[in-house]
Amino acid sequence: AQSVTQLGSHVSVSEGALVLLRCNYSSSVPPYLFWYVQYPNQGLQLLLKYTSAATLVKGINGFEAEFKKSETSFHLTKPSAHMSDAAEYFCAVSKAAGNKLTFGGGTRVLVKP
Amino acid sequence: ETGVTQTPRHLVMGMTNKKSLKCEQHLGHNAMYWYKQSAKKPLELMFVYSLEERVENNSVPSRFSPECPNSSHLFLHLHTLQPEDSALYLCASSQDGNTEAFFGQGTRLTVV
Repeated sequence: AQSVTQLGSHVSVSEGALVLLRCNYSSSVPPYLFWYVQYPNQGLQLLLKYTSAATLVKGINGFEAEFKKSETSFHLTKPSAHMSDAAEYFCAVSKAAGNKLTFGGGTRVLVKP
Repeated sequence: ETGVTQTPRHLVMGMTNKKSLKCEQHLGHNAMYWYKQSAKKPLELMFVYSLEERVENNSVPSRFSPECPNSSHLFLHLHTLQPEDSALYLCASSQDGNTEAFFGQGTRLTVV
């Protein structure tokens, strides 16, 4: 069975500050890992994905994430927060053979001016 | 029109009503999914269709009935729902072997 844990259901950052969202996973097989973003009243948009290639993955809107097998982590970062980054962020895992996603509980990001 | 489109965006229904949610994808994908997003629970996978065949039912109550008439369309038929079924229902599609899933904007369902 797979599971995903996102530490912190809410994160508040100042505009221009580092954004760090934590994600730890458990999987019995090499995982595929994803970060999705959800803006208010919207569906989910893919930010980035790890599919066993480079461990440092760059995504859209300046986000990146690093896969660390030894720590079973896939934390999401952005060097400088922008007001438009205010949203809810979801980490997800799937098995290599398919893409039925198991999601974490989500982290809501508030950006303060 | 591109991407994954869900209709309606909002739906209010009584517990004795029958309604249907519609999802259409214009991406040429061969797999489609229904997810449920409740206020206090993580996103949950409900159903998976691959090549128009249901390949997974994630212990969903029978008051939810999916239908996939072709690879571009997915429906979720609803009947005798409960207030706790109020949630955002998200449809997604993907191409088997390519693990990236594309999501629609969801249908916000309220059961009264």
